[in-house]
Amino acid sequence: DIQMTQSPSTLSASVGDRVTITCRASQSISSWLAWYQQKVGKAPKLLIYDASSLESGVPSRFSGSGSGTEFTLTISSLQPDDFATYYCQQYNYYPYTFGQGTKLEIK
Amino acid sequence: QVQLVESGGGVVQSGRSLRLSCAASGFIFSSYAMHWVRQAPGRGLEWVAVIWYDGTNKYYADSVKGRFTISRDISKNTLYLQMSNLRAEDTAVYFCVRGFSGTLSGMDVWGQGTAVTVSS
Repeated sequence: DIQMTQSPSTLSASVGDRVTITCRASQSISSWLAWYQQKVGKAPKLLIYDASSLESGVPSRFSGSGSGTEFTLTISSLQPDDFATYYCQQYNYYPYTFGQGTKLEIK
Repeated sequence: QVQLVESGGGVVQSGRSLRLSCAASGFIFSSYAMHWVRQAPGRGLEWVAVIWYDGTNKYYADSVKGRFTISRDISKNTLYLQMSNLRAEDTAVYFCVRGFSGTLSGMDVWGQGTAVTVSS
């Protein structure tokens, strides 16, 4: 199975900050990677697919990049609504696998 | 609008069975692969299973292989997850999720989830 490793596990930041979350795959997954945002008690929400494509309706302050084994999610200017947990997920091979999550906290 | 509504969760004893359902609406159900993803209390997301648009291909996580069966009823626009020989580690919120396409692809729309608790 492909292992997905996110860093950091927890990130403290302030409104207006630029933040970056990294996701590494244990083998190449081309660009078959998604990023999700999850708030407590809610279902995950798709933000980015195919590593860099912005899902419809998602604010443009979210962006994704990378290919192969290294990927990043960047939020250009944090807003209060962005404090949540973020997951990466590969869909190049079954079984699909998720990163362990990055909790974005208010500093 | 696209909607997925799960049902069937509850408290069940270890070793017993339970069937989850997911009612789909707002899209052509027969054209999309459908997935189950779960989340144990306080833990991350774990992909469970997928069924392709035509039901010909099904894939499972190793943790549930041989115990869980995914299926779909096109006439009812409903996805199912039959869970048997349940274990304490199956305790989780189970989400029904739509694939981007009918086969191997990402996932976009999520249901609100249904909670399963396996008691010993």
